[in-house]
Amino acid sequence: SQQGEEDPQALSIQEGENATMNCSYKTSINNLQWYRQNSGRGLVHLILIRSNEREKHSGRLRVTLDTSKKSSSLLITASRAADTASYFCATDGDKIIFGKGTRLHILP
Amino acid sequence: DAGVIQSPRHEVTEMGQEVTLRCKPISGHDYLFWYRQTMMRGLELLIYFNNNVPIDDSGMPEDRFSAKMPNASFSTLKIQPSEPRDSAVYFCASSLFGQGVEQYFGPGTRLTVT
Repeated sequence: SQQGEEDPQALSIQEGENATMNCSYKTSINNLQWYRQNSGRGLVHLILIRSNEREKHSGRLRVTLDTSKKSSSLLITASRAADTASYFCATDGDKIIFGKGTRLHILP
Repeated sequence: DAGVIQSPRHEVTEMGQEVTLRCKPISGHDYLFWYRQTMMRGLELLIYFNNNVPIDDSGMPEDRFSAKMPNASFSTLKIQPSEPRDSAVYFCASSLFGQGVEQYFGPGTRLTVT
């Protein structure tokens, strides 16, 4: 069964607002990663958080990890049109498994 | 570095034909991954190599699929014979240290089997 599940499936917000996406998983992990995919392109790595970390920042990105709830969230602050993309979490249990993604649309 | 290179970018073929997808990983990356992406199933890991050796092929859907990595700079994914349900975008990715760390994805090959 799918290890990572993103929520919501789709999200539309106004430019400048913050976007929050969530990921839930089922088994123990070493790392959790977030990737971005623009339409028609390959995935691009955004950030990795280790199982012993609770929060990590990279520019406008903030990732949290709650291993007790087996969940993670990705926050994009001050969204821009260029942030329009699909966002995937990936977990590394026995093998890496990607969720089905959240489609983020930034409205001008 | 040019990044991960995949060819062809688009492939349209008829059911029953052999399809070969190609990948050149980033130089120096010891790990190479093949993924398939569809709307229904999302992104699935098919197989991955470490130092040219297949490590986990449990995601390969059936015997019609095979993958090789004859050297550190080249890998192929072959489907023979192809079926319409194989239609998907196939991605190749490479990484320095394994599947649980940053992977660099190629642009993908969009395969359509009619």
